[in-house]
Amino acid sequence: EDQVTQSPEALRLQEGESSSLNCSYTVSGLRGLFWYRQDPGKGPEFLFTLYSAGEEKEKERLKATLTKKESFLHITAPKPEDSATYLCAVQDRSSNTGKLIFGQGTTLQVKP
Amino acid sequence: GAGVSQSPSNKVTEKGKDVELRCDPISGHTALYWYRQSLGQGLEFLIYFQGNSAPDKSGLPSDRFSAERTGGSVSTLTIQRTQQEDSAVYLCASSPGTANYEQYFGPGTRLTVT
Repeated sequence: EDQVTQSPEALRLQEGESSSLNCSYTVSGLRGLFWYRQDPGKGPEFLFTLYSAGEEKEKERLKATLTKKESFLHITAPKPEDSATYLCAVQDRSSNTGKLIFGQGTTLQVKP
Repeated sequence: GAGVSQSPSNKVTEKGKDVELRCDPISGHTALYWYRQSLGQGLEFLIYFQGNSAPDKSGLPSDRFSAERTGGSVSTLTIQRTQQEDSAVYLCASSPGTANYEQYFGPGTRLTVT
């Protein structure tokens, strides 16, 4: 069964303190791994898609990496506006629908 | 361009009543998904529409849940005889289709069953 586990559940950082969020996954065949950001009361906002091990993508202070078993979302010198819940999801290659299987998310709080 | 829109943003209903939730996908997107996000739960897949093909209803939790998509665009999720455990945020997402699997989400409808 496809499964996604994110850690830690919650993370508190000081502004400028870099860190990483982890997403471990089990899937029969990976079509893609997705990172989303979700602010309170809003829908998930698309950040990145990674398709194969070794792939990396960057956007501002965020960098996502992928191995065969996990993905990391690295946050460099975070700012308070980076505070949000970060969601990881996978698509199974065997799925005809492309449905996303989500982890529980990591809630990040960045203090000024 | 305009993103995915959903209405209403909030819905409070009494147990046993029926509710309809609406989703307007991004123009030109052929794939449409419904997910549910409950307190303490991750997002869970409910149903998938692709073009004019038969929908994949494998994620619907009970036969009280149904959905339709008219004209390949707007979708309505209907919950009959609502129960308290149906309280959740219902999220709609759309995707360009088979060549690109990135899904773009709407703001969600928060459903509270009293």
